[in-house]
Amino acid sequence: ELKVEQNPLFLSMQEGKNYTIYCNYSTTSDRLYWYRQDPGKSLESLFVLLSNGAVKQEGRLMASLDTKARLSTLHITAAVHDLSATYFCAVLSGAGSYQLTFGKGTKLSVIP
Amino acid sequence: NAGVTQTPKFRILKIGQSMTLQCTQDMNHNYMYWYRQDPGMGLKLIYYSVGAGITDKGEVPNGYNVSRSTTEDFPLRLELAAPSQTSVYFCASSYSLNEQFFGPGTRLTVL
Repeated sequence: ELKVEQNPLFLSMQEGKNYTIYCNYSTTSDRLYWYRQDPGKSLESLFVLLSNGAVKQEGRLMASLDTKARLSTLHITAAVHDLSATYFCAVLSGAGSYQLTFGKGTKLSVIP
Repeated sequence: NAGVTQTPKFRILKIGQSMTLQCTQDMNHNYMYWYRQDPGMGLKLIYYSVGAGITDKGEVPNGYNVSRSTTEDFPLRLELAAPSQTSVYFCASSYSLNEQFFGPGTRLTVL
């Protein structure tokens, strides 16, 4: 059974600081997704990482994937209040699968 | 494009009642999904479909049924509602295994 673990689950950081959210998963997968969810809202796709060594950046967020280590990171640079949200990683459950397994999410609060 | 739409937005059911959650997408996506999200948790897959007429169980299918007669629609049926089905339900669609686009969600309470 695929397990997806995110840490930390809660993160409070000051504006202007940098931080990294980690996503570990337990079985082989070559496709990983990052989503953002604002309170009471739906999920918004941020990144799809397709291969080992993939790196994608959008604004102050950068995501990377190491399939050998079964690890993805979401790096936040110079955080601003608008980045406050819950961030989920999700992993495709193996070759030939259509199922995503989600982590529990990292609730990020950026404090002025 | 409206994207993925869901109705209703909110619903309160009594134990044992049944209802159908509607989901429609206008992006001509072949894959569609139903998830539930419990407080403070990630999403769990209930059912999915890779095309009209094809559906399959996800991680937590018990107590639910789906059908997919058209590319656009993917309704989720709850039979004999139970308090354990109190949750927020999200429908999503994608083109193959690309990013999934999520609907606004249905908040369901079973009392």
